[in-house]
Amino acid sequence: EDQVTQSPEALRLQEGESSSLNCSYTVSGLRGLFWYRQDPGKGPEFLFTLYSAGEEKEKERLKATLTKKESFLHITAPKPEDSATYLCAVADNYGQNFVFGPGTRLSVLP
Amino acid sequence: DSGVTQTPKHLITATGQRVTLRCSPRSGDLSVYWYQQSLDQGLQFLIQYYNGEERAKGNILERFSAQQFPDLHSELNLSSLELGDSALYFCASSPGTSSYNEQFFGPGTRLTVL
Repeated sequence: EDQVTQSPEALRLQEGESSSLNCSYTVSGLRGLFWYRQDPGKGPEFLFTLYSAGEEKEKERLKATLTKKESFLHITAPKPEDSATYLCAVADNYGQNFVFGPGTRLSVLP
Repeated sequence: DSGVTQTPKHLITATGQRVTLRCSPRSGDLSVYWYQQSLDQGLQFLIQYYNGEERAKGNILERFSAQQFPDLHSELNLSSLELGDSALYFCASSPGTSSYNEQFFGPGTRLTVL
């Protein structure tokens, strides 16, 4: 059974203090790993898709990386508007299932 | 704005009742996915439809059913509601058949069962 865990559960950063969020996964043949951002009471917003180990993608202050067992979301010099829950999800080779992790709740203080 | 619309935004009902949630996918997307998000369970995949046909099933209860119509909009029907069904229900859409295409989520329907 596909499984996704994320750490830490919650993270508080000062504005400008860079850090990384972790997503560890167990999947029967990874087809894709996805990062989403979710604001309270709203739908998840797509950020990145990673398909193979070694792949990296960047968007503004965010950079996602992928290894065979985990993915990292690096946040460089975060701003208060980066505060949100960051969700990781995996799709397996069967393409039939999309499993989300529990998320990391990020708070960036001014 | 993802381009996915959901109605209603909020729904308050009583135990034992039946409700219908509606979703319109992004223009051109053929797949629709339904998810349930509660505080203790996180985001749980319920079911996927592709071009009117059921494509994949997740943790969907027998009391719940869904369908996708010829115009590609989808409805999620929840019956014999229980207190534990209170949650946010999200619809997402993607262009392809498989879940390894990125999915775009709607704003959700908040269901409260009293």
